Amino acid sequence: DVVMTQSPLSLPVTLGQPASISCRSSQSLVHSDGNTYLNWFQQRPGQSPRRLIYKVSNRDSGVPDRFSGSGSGTDFTLKISRVEAEDVGVYYCMQGTHWPPGVFGQGTKVEIK
Amino acid sequence: QVQLVESGGGVVQPGRSLRLSCAASGFVFSTYAMSWVRQAPGKGLECVAVISYDGINKYHADSVKGRFTISRDNSKDTLYLQVNSLRTEDTAVYYCARDNNADYWGQGTLVTVSS
Repeated sequence: DVVMTQSPLSLPVTLGQPASISCRSSQSLVHSDGNTYLNWFQQRPGQSPRRLIYKVSNRDSGVPDRFSGSGSGTDFTLKISRVEAEDVGVYYCMQGTHWPPGVFGQGTKVEIK
Repeated sequence: QVQLVESGGGVVQPGRSLRLSCAASGFVFSTYAMSWVRQAPGKGLECVAVISYDGINKYHADSVKGRFTISRDNSKDTLYLQVNSLRTEDTAVYYCARDNNADYWGQGTLVTVSS
């Protein structure tokens, strides 16, 4: 299986400041159809995961535009332009290219300083 | 709107069995692959089983192979996970998720394996 590696695993941030999470895959995530199926999820405390970003950089419906995704091949980044209190939680990347299965990164815990 | 509702979790002794269900609504269930993803207490997410839209192709993670079986009933819009020979390390919240890119998730059902 593909291995997904996130960094950092813990990210203390100041309200209003930017935050960035890296995700690297052990293989290229470019599918034979030309798409790159790299997703980002947010899991707030006590809640189910919620998808934020699909195919590297597309925001799901209702996701604030302070969240953005970028990257290609094996290196990907989730950025929060200005962290708000409601952004506290754990963020996971997941590849859907070499599926099954979907493989998740270890998770990055975002907390307020 | 898309809804996934899991049920069937509980507290069981090691070696026992459970059947988890995921009732789907708000979309054409029979056209989507589905997954079971679990999360042990304080841990990350692990995809343990996947099934194709028609139920023909199945994947089970090595950690559950031979003990867990994924299935679906498209006439009932329901996904299942039969979990046998449970171990303490299977204790987790079990989520169902839609499609290979997990665009929708249920609220999860907690399975606790303890003597």
